[in-house]
Amino acid sequence: EDQVTQSPEALRLQEGESSSLNCSYTVSGLRGLFWYRQDPGKGPEFLFTLYSAGEEKEKERLKATLTKKESFLHITAPKPEDSATYLCAVQAPVTGGTSYGKLTFGQGTILTVHP
Amino acid sequence: GAVVSQHPSWVICKSGTSVKIECRSLDFQATTMFWYRQFPKQSLMLMATSNEGSKATYEQGVEKDKFLINHASLTLSTLTVTSAHPEDSSFYICSARQGIYGYTFGSGTRLTVV
Repeated sequence: EDQVTQSPEALRLQEGESSSLNCSYTVSGLRGLFWYRQDPGKGPEFLFTLYSAGEEKEKERLKATLTKKESFLHITAPKPEDSATYLCAVQAPVTGGTSYGKLTFGQGTILTVHP
Repeated sequence: GAVVSQHPSWVICKSGTSVKIECRSLDFQATTMFWYRQFPKQSLMLMATSNEGSKATYEQGVEKDKFLINHASLTLSTLTVTSAHPEDSSFYICSARQGIYGYTFGSGTRLTVV
C-alpha cells in the first residue's frame, strides 16, 4: 500500500526565514510526486509535479526536489501570503484497471509565516 | 489552464435528505474524475473514482449506496449523498484527471447536515 508521510505537521516561520518541508513516500512504482497548496475552505492548488530522482522545479519562492525516497519543498524568504497547508501526493501506476492513476496524499504541513 | 468547477460551495441540509454536488471540467474533457472527503485538519481521503460511462470504483470502507456517483458525460460528474446524517458533514472535493499526469481540483463543497 502506498504511504506518504509529511513533516513537520506544523511550521511557524518569521517572514524571510527560509526552511524546508519534507515528504517521505513508499510506492510501488512512482509515476509522479505532486505538491499542492491548500488554503482554508478551498481545494488544493497545483504547485509542482516531479517524476524522477534528481529532478528539481522552482516557482517564485518555492523549490521542489525529489530523491528515491523523499521530496523536499524549500521555501526561500517566505512572506505571510505563503501561509497555507502544503500537501504532498504520489501517483501509483495504473494496474489491472483498478488504480486509475489515483493519488495518495500525505497529512500535510501547516505553514504559518509571521510578519 | 485546466479548470474544474464545483457546486455548491456550501450546503446545509436536514438529516435524512439527499444532497447532490456537481463537478464540471470547464475547458477539457475528463474521462476520469475523483471524489475526496476531507475532515478538519486532516488530509484528503479518496472516496471513489469515476470513469465516464461506467460505474464508479469505490475505496474500501466507502458506502456505495450512500455516496452515489454518476459520470454521465466527459465534463460532468456528480456525487449524491443519500439520506444524509450529521456524521456525513464534511468537506467534499472533486478532481479531474487531464491527460496522463495532470490533476486539477475543484474548490470544494462544505456539507453540513443538521
